[in-house]
Amino acid sequence: DTAVSQTPKYLVTQMGNDKSIKCEQNLGHDTMYWYKQDSKKFLKIMFSYNNKELIINETVPNRFSPKSPDKAHLNLHINSLELGDSAVYFCASSQPTVSGEQFFGPGTRLTVL
Amino acid sequence: KQEVTQIPAALSVPEGENLVLNCSFTDSAIYNLQWFRQDPGKGLTSLLLIQSSQREQTSGRLNASLDKSSGRSTLYIAASQPGDSATYLCAVKGAGANSKLTFGKGITLSVRP
Repeated sequence: DTAVSQTPKYLVTQMGNDKSIKCEQNLGHDTMYWYKQDSKKFLKIMFSYNNKELIINETVPNRFSPKSPDKAHLNLHINSLELGDSAVYFCASSQPTVSGEQFFGPGTRLTVL
Repeated sequence: KQEVTQIPAALSVPEGENLVLNCSFTDSAIYNLQWFRQDPGKGLTSLLLIQSSQREQTSGRLNASLDKSSGRSTLYIAASQPGDSATYLCAVKGAGANSKLTFGKGITLSVRP
């Protein structure tokens, strides 16, 4: 009965590889997000999708490509992984109202060697 | 550009103490402010959300206040317990239909038995 789930929880990979992180929410929300939390624990938004449409795209390298097959899923695909991509990635969802409370997934710890 | 500041970065208190965590933001044009809790290696748990038109919200031993004009919010924790030990993050949602959450760097709280 998890509200926002992510897989995998841990991901260790070599530089240059391509990897994906999956996110699913069962809250019936229309808006989903990807955040990156760096080594200093600073949390910053990367992308936001509303009903499968890209709404927010912060200054993120185009090696990162979100994909939303339906409004309950927002996957993050990363090409040509670099050492600096090592971080914890969080998925979140909310209703698209201005007051929408955001609910976060458990995070995916990505380590690039 | 919105900036959210949480000072101090870390706080250690004895069990039973009432405490206040501070959050300040530079742009008062916000829709809401959300307080989160993050346990080590875990995701974010939403604690309280205050709409811009509200002054405070309460949940159990937690009370959050908002002074939008001065760009400040406080999270009051009554009768602190060791289980309250975690990082507490403040985030503000900017004005605008597709606004984003801007996070502070968090306050790591340790409650000593």
